[in-house]
Amino acid sequence: DGGITQSPKYLFRKEGQNVTLSCEQNLNHDAMYWYRQDPGQGLRLIYYSQIVNDFQKGDIAEGYSVSREKKESFPLTVTSAQKNPTAFYLCASSIPPSSTQYFGPGTRLTVL
Amino acid sequence: GQQVMQIPQYQHVQEGEDFTTYCNSSTTLSNIQWYKQRPGGHPVFLIQLVKSGEVKKQKRLTFQFGEAKKNSSLHITATQTTDVGTYFCAALGGATNKLIFGTGTLLAVQP
Repeated sequence: DGGITQSPKYLFRKEGQNVTLSCEQNLNHDAMYWYRQDPGQGLRLIYYSQIVNDFQKGDIAEGYSVSREKKESFPLTVTSAQKNPTAFYLCASSIPPSSTQYFGPGTRLTVL
Repeated sequence: GQQVMQIPQYQHVQEGEDFTTYCNSSTTLSNIQWYKQRPGGHPVFLIQLVKSGEVKKQKRLTFQFGEAKKNSSLHITATQTTDVGTYFCAALGGATNKLIFGTGTLLAVQP
């Protein structure tokens, strides 16, 4: 089956620890995105990548880092510098230039 | 930067009533997309509108793109409990090719 997978579905971490969220797609899409969603809120763009080995900051990149070493993978690291990391994190992919975005199931991160 | 405003934020209807959510931009949009997110789920693409004044239908859902390509609406006729969720509009963010998502409208349907 083609699609986007995110793991784990739920993640708990202690304050001060870095944590990496996985996002993998087998849709052969060039572009990948990371969004953050807080309860009752819309989607805010953290980072995006339009091609392998290249990525750009979104609207709320501070405290986050990404890598795009492979077309299929776009992991997101939530660092200890992110002041309010507890949120629902969604990964998406698309075929540029515009196009429909296909979302993964998301990871709910709770920092204790 | 470009913003896409969506109203209302929340709507509660009785099953069988109609529902409409509106999306507005201060700038002309090249296209607009609509997504639905079920409670606890992830956004799922519904439709894309490209042409000025375009109207598309999916069963009980009707999507419109304004003549000036600055606004759009999603209308659901005779809501059902399966329509529950948050509906987002999204538009391309100018030269960046990023999608700018609206704030979403949460629809609650009472049986």
